[in-house]
Amino acid sequence: NAGVMQNPRHLVRRRGQEARLRCSPMKGHSHVYWYRQLPEEGLKFMVYLQKENIIDESGMPKERFSAEFPKEGPSILRIQQVVRGDSAAYFCASSPGGGSADTQYFGPGTRLTVL
Amino acid sequence: AQRVTQPEKLLSVFKGAPVELKCNYSYSGSPELFWYVQYSRQRLQLLLRHISRESIKGFTADLNKGETSFHLKKPFAQEEDSAMYYCALSYGGATNKLIFGTGTLLAVQP
Repeated sequence: NAGVMQNPRHLVRRRGQEARLRCSPMKGHSHVYWYRQLPEEGLKFMVYLQKENIIDESGMPKERFSAEFPKEGPSILRIQQVVRGDSAAYFCASSPGGGSADTQYFGPGTRLTVL
Repeated sequence: AQRVTQPEKLLSVFKGAPVELKCNYSYSGSPELFWYVQYSRQRLQLLLRHISRESIKGFTADLNKGETSFHLKKPFAQEEDSAMYYCALSYGGATNKLIFGTGTLLAVQP
């Protein structure tokens, strides 16, 4: 099992462009979490998805950010019209179920830099 | 509000010395607490969870509800323990989202 995969590992965008971050969960996992880590801060929850459903998006900024986890393919975190404050490391985690007993396995992260 | 506090950004100890990484939390319900570790150039991984009451790599952590703490301890530090350590709290319920502390960098000197 290759573990949670994220790509790209590094992404550079200019202000106003769009950023697409991909996350492929571990085989057999149908639950995906996205977290964001700003410099000097801990990881902060953004959104929790199951296949084709957003379960909890309480940590997502109200504008410009969206997430999906289609029936086929990876989960996508999309940031439209990026601004410098979006520069951060974005981590994806997957788990086999959504309960607290289900360990979240983390990907290596995508480092987004907005110029 | 739910919060996890790790007061130390950096903890430097010598090999063989005891280690205690501090973690305090605020949560109105029954918390589930975890320690995650990130070694250099590796991804974040679960070290231990309070509900398992286990010892991993010589580390233990006891949940103290009176002091709302979940400190990570090891009696004798090894150089390979050098890493970033994050304490995290789970909401549980319908969503298993984690609230993380800001992390403590443990540096074990030879």
